[in-house]
Amino acid sequence: TQLLEQSPQFLSIQEGENLTVYCNSSSVFSSLQWYRQEPGEGPVLLVTVVTGGEVKKLKRLTFQFGDARKDSSLHITAAQPGDTGLYLCAGVRSGTYKYIFGTGTRLKVLA
Amino acid sequence: EPEVTQTPSHQVTQMGQEVILRCVPISNHLYFYWYRQILGQKVEFLVSFYNNEISEKSEIFDDQFSVERPDGSNFTLKIRSTKLEDSAMYFCASSEGRFYEQYFGPGTRLTVT
Repeated sequence: TQLLEQSPQFLSIQEGENLTVYCNSSSVFSSLQWYRQEPGEGPVLLVTVVTGGEVKKLKRLTFQFGDARKDSSLHITAAQPGDTGLYLCAGVRSGTYKYIFGTGTRLKVLA
Repeated sequence: EPEVTQTPSHQVTQMGQEVILRCVPISNHLYFYWYRQILGQKVEFLVSFYNNEISEKSEIFDDQFSVERPDGSNFTLKIRSTKLEDSAMYFCASSEGRFYEQYFGPGTRLTVT
């Protein structure tokens, strides 16, 4: 059972296009983090969302935490080749202490 | 900017041998973690450590694994008798608090032959 399901699994788009990546669960999370991972490297933290309905912007990246704290989305505006990488959501399910990673979305932005 | 460091970056060992993977967490962080990522698969939680003891561990973290904070800066993961299926990237992470965001090291690639 995947507690944090990400979609799509793979995404290949042209430079300049917009995209949205989803992170879904049937469980409530205390908070959710989004990371980006390059091949052979550790995940790099992009943002933390804590409050249901919260929206955070990081330049061209917009992160949203669902009202019920069960899902999150990452929207990238005007994607660039430098955005290429594996995007991971992760968090601690309410009532537990284990940190869980999502299944990942592999993004490729073509020049 | 403070960062988590890990050594070695790549470790090759023979099946049955013991390995110790080392990590230096961010200095003011109190919670430490180990994760592994088998090639092409998702990041999997192994163990969390706080106040010199394990606070949570996964089903993967069986008796062949152990963690230690031997001094004020290092955090180690020992695999007692390595198996082929232990080949993976092992990531260390640290956080200020239990539910705070975690900062990851660059990883150690373990290859068991």
